[in-house]
Amino acid sequence: DIVLTQSPGTLSLSPGERATLSCRASQNINNNYLAWYQQRFGQAPRLLIYGATNRATGIPDRFSGSGSGTDFTLTIDRLEPEDCAVYYCQQFGTSPYTFGQGTKLEIK
Amino acid sequence: QVQLVQSGAEVKKPGASVKVSCKTSGYTFISYHVNWVRQAPGQGPEWMGIINPADGNTNKSPQFQGRVTITRDTSTSTVYMELSGLRPEDTAIYFCARVATGVKGFVHWGQGTLVTVSS
Repeated sequence: DIVLTQSPGTLSLSPGERATLSCRASQNINNNYLAWYQQRFGQAPRLLIYGATNRATGIPDRFSGSGSGTDFTLTIDRLEPEDCAVYYCQQFGTSPYTFGQGTKLEIK
Repeated sequence: QVQLVQSGAEVKKPGASVKVSCKTSGYTFISYHVNWVRQAPGQGPEWMGIINPADGNTNKSPQFQGRVTITRDTSTSTVYMELSGLRPEDTAIYFCARVATGVKGFVHWGQGTLVTVSS
């Protein structure tokens, strides 16, 4: 199985700052099929980014994805209080389609 | 609009089985695979498996091989996930989820079904 390791575990930033979240894979992800999700408490995950760099429908351009191969990044510009959530990466390149363990983003 | 509506919460004893349903609507049922994902309390999501509603073929995570059965009923556009040999560590919210055309990511999610395993 492909193991996805996310860092940092927790990120605490102020409104208006930039958040940089990392997702590292134990092996190359085929076709860069890497997705990012936002999960607020008590809700299902919400797709933000797919194919490493493509924003899902309705996602603000403050959210952007980058990377390829084994190293991927989610960047959130101009943080807002509503961005407080846990963020997960998931790979669709090879079955089983594993998830990372998550990065908790706190807004001060 | 696309909807995935799951069955209600379940409480089971260790060793029992649970069957969760996911009724779909708003699209052509056989056109999209449906996945099952679970999330234990305080943990990240965990992909369990996928079914092709057109032919019933499934692909399951090795972690659940032998314990999980995924089926579908095309007459009601419903997908089912049955997990046997339940253990306390199977306590989790179970979600069904689906991609959208050209999107390798879960766009559509069910509301989740809490399964509690306790003696």
